Parts: sequence; C-alpha cells; structure tokens
Amino acid sequence: DTAVSQTPKYLVTQMGNDKSIKCEQNLGHDTMYWYKQDSKKFLKIMFSYNNKELIINETVPNRFSPKSPDKAHLNLHINSLELGDSAVYFCASSLTTAGEETQYFGPGTRLLVL
Amino acid sequence: AQSVTQLDSHVSVSEGTPVLLRCNYSSSYSPSLFWYVQHPNKGLQLLLKYTSAATLVKGINGFEAEFKKSETSFHLTKPSAHMSDAAEYFCVVRWMDSSYKLIFGSGTRLLVRP
Repeated sequence: DTAVSQTPKYLVTQMGNDKSIKCEQNLGHDTMYWYKQDSKKFLKIMFSYNNKELIINETVPNRFSPKSPDKAHLNLHINSLELGDSAVYFCASSLTTAGEETQYFGPGTRLLVL
Repeated sequence: AQSVTQLDSHVSVSEGTPVLLRCNYSSSYSPSLFWYVQHPNKGLQLLLKYTSAATLVKGINGFEAEFKKSETSFHLTKPSAHMSDAAEYFCVVRWMDSSYKLIFGSGTRLLVRP
C-alpha cells in the first residue's frame, strides 16, 4: 500500500554514465515533483509536473530531464553524471485540483557518483 | 518572495523535557506553512500544516505549532521529548503561485538524550 515509491533506493555509478530514477504514486494525485537534498540536508525543488505538463523547471542543468508518461509516474533521467550530482533525490506528489497543498514524499533515492 | 529561516541547526534536549524548534518566515502574502520530519535515512513525513485556519495547529506524535503573524514565526513544540523524536525537522513555506512549490528551511537536527 505504498503511496509514493521510488526505484532504485540506492544508486552507485561512475562519472559520465547515464542513469534514471523512477517514481510512482498510487494516491490519485495530479501533480508530481522532484527535489534534491544535498550533503548538508538542504532540499530544493527541481521539477514539477501537473497532469503530465511541466510547470516548474528550476535552474537545473540540461543533463537532467524529467519525463511523465502519465499522471501517476514521474521519472528523472540524468545524462553524463558528475560528482556534484551525488545527493538524495526525493519524489513527491499532491492533489492540486482539490486545492490540497500537502505534498507526500517518497523514501528517496541515494545517488553516489564516483 | 517567500522564505523560511530555521534559527537553530541543532537542538539537544533530555528525554521527557519540552522541545522547541524555531522557524521564522518571510512572505508577502498569508503563507501556507508546514513542518516535515526526516528520520535518519528515511523520507519526509508531514508533521503538521497551517493554511490560514486556526493559528494553533496540532500535528502527529504530540507536536504542535503556533502561527504568529506579528512575529512572523511558526515554532514547533512538544511538551515531552521521546527518544524516537530524534530526527531532522524542516520548516517549509509554500510558494504563493500556481506551482505549489515548497521552499524548505535549512533544517534543525533534534538530539534527544536519555
């Protein structure tokens, strides 16, 4: 009965590789988000999709490309990984059409780039 | 622009004593404010939220927060700390546009001594 799930939980990879992180929510929400938490625990929004449409795109390198195949999924693809990409990536979702502001977070994906 | 400032990076209390985690916000509008908790190597869980209803908000696990407009504060309190409360706590403000973007404070690590 997981609400917001992410795969994989842990990802260790070499610099220059391309990797994807997947997120799925079974809450019937219409908006999904990606946040990045750095080594100092600071959390920052990266992207947001509402009904498969991109509505937030913060100043994130072009190497990061979100894809939303449907309302329940928001994947994050990262090209040419760099050391600075090492972080915890959190997916979240909310039901904005109902004016509900609460965002529900996934367990996070811990990415380590070597 | 909306922002939040968490005044303490670390707070240490003894088990059974009160907890106070401080948060000040900056917003041109009446803000929506949240407290999230992150236990070690876990995702983010909503503790409570303020969305312009009652100024004293009760959350899960005995936590509560009071919205004080005159002081632009939204401090988190608990009458009696439990060992399981040891975690990172984030004060969060919602960006006041249609994006529903959350702006996170820098976090306060709560340590609970036996």
